[in-house]
Amino acid sequence: SQQGEEDPQALSIQEGENATMNCSYKTSINNLQWYRQNSGRGLVHLILIRSNEREKHSGRLRVTLDTSKKSSSLLITASRAADTASYFCATVGRGSNYKLTFGKGTLLTVNP
Amino acid sequence: EAGVAQSPRYKIIEKRQSVAFWCNPISGHATLYWYQQILGQGPKLLIQFQNNGVVDDSQLPKDRFSAERLKGVDSTLKIQPAKLEDSAVYLCASSNRDRGVEETQYFGPGTRLLVL
Repeated sequence: SQQGEEDPQALSIQEGENATMNCSYKTSINNLQWYRQNSGRGLVHLILIRSNEREKHSGRLRVTLDTSKKSSSLLITASRAADTASYFCATVGRGSNYKLTFGKGTLLTVNP
Repeated sequence: EAGVAQSPRYKIIEKRQSVAFWCNPISGHATLYWYQQILGQGPKLLIQFQNNGVVDDSQLPKDRFSAERLKGVDSTLKIQPAKLEDSAVYLCASSNRDRGVEETQYFGPGTRLLVL
């Protein structure tokens, strides 16, 4: 079963705008990860946030985690056409042998 | 560093036929994963190996799917017999858990299977 559920399912923005995607999950986690998937580069790891962290940055990416609400958000600032892809959150549950459970993803389209 | 290699990239078969996929992980990565990704969904873990031992195969349909990693390096995933609902992309990933608790999984390009 899918653990994370991303929202929205699809998002279309203009280049230079910010994009925010949300993820909700159901059980206690060890960490939460965000991945990007496009036809050119396959599925690529973007960022990992541990359960005891609230915010993390990596370049134009900002991830927040609220364990009390079992939710996370991914913000991409100053988006580019090359950011067009599907974005997935994936959780590693406590005691799960590092098993990744993915959500259904958000399809982001950045229009030039 | 070479990435995760998978072959073939595409496969079309008829239902009830058998098919096999191959994966070669990143050199030195002890953990290997096979995922199934149906169109419009996120990847779902089928099986996880640590070296040549199975860690988790709870979501592997064992009546038709099998996987092995005999020498703890490359791996094969087989479907026999295939059903229409097996049409999906099969992704292989590897990681090196020895580097710490948190681990990044590196994914191969996938094999796109179409069952007619």
